[in-house]
Amino acid sequence: AQSVSQHNHHVILSEAASLELGCNYSYGGTVNLFWYVQYPGQHLQLLLKYFSGDPLVKGIKGFEAEFIKSKFSFNLRKPSVQWSDTAEYFCAVYSSASKIIFGSGTRLSIRP
Amino acid sequence: DAGVTQSPTHLIKTRGQQVTLRCSPKSGHDTVSWYQQALGQGPQFIFQYYEEEERQRGNFPDRFSGHQFPNYSSELNVNALLLGDSALYLCASSVRDFEKLFFGSGTQLSVL
Repeated sequence: AQSVSQHNHHVILSEAASLELGCNYSYGGTVNLFWYVQYPGQHLQLLLKYFSGDPLVKGIKGFEAEFIKSKFSFNLRKPSVQWSDTAEYFCAVYSSASKIIFGSGTRLSIRP
Repeated sequence: DAGVTQSPTHLIKTRGQQVTLRCSPKSGHDTVSWYQQALGQGPQFIFQYYEEEERQRGNFPDRFSGHQFPNYSSELNVNALLLGDSALYLCASSVRDFEKLFFGSGTQLSVL
């Protein structure tokens, strides 16, 4: 069965540090990839998505993610985090076989 | 413009009972999907409705059923509740499949 792994459950960074959150999936066919974010007290919202084309995808608030097909990965990056990036981040993968599957999430805490 | 609204926000039921959760999609959206989110986990896809029909379904038993009305709003029904059904139930709406999901704030269901 297809799965999505987010190995970092909780990441703590200082402001201005660089961020990379890992996401790996286990399906060899065509996939669509997403990162969703949930800020404290808010709904889940789409951060960025990859469907096809340039494997480096840019999203809102300075986030980007790179799809590396050979590694089955779609890691989320930001060069310099802010306190307002404190949130929970979910990777999700869609395929025609397994529909949409979300990872278990990574909680990001930013020290001011 | 109202986003996705869900009702009720909280619900307490006992084992064996039945429950109905409701969702109104974001204006302009015609597709509604439902998710179960257990504590510390990511959302798990239950099913998706489009044009009043269940279009896609995840790995949930038949105790979980739904409906979509002509105004695109939707209901999730769960029969014969089990303790393990205790979770946050999220509704998301979209224009097409899973391309960009807009989530509601969820219904917290507790089964005692």
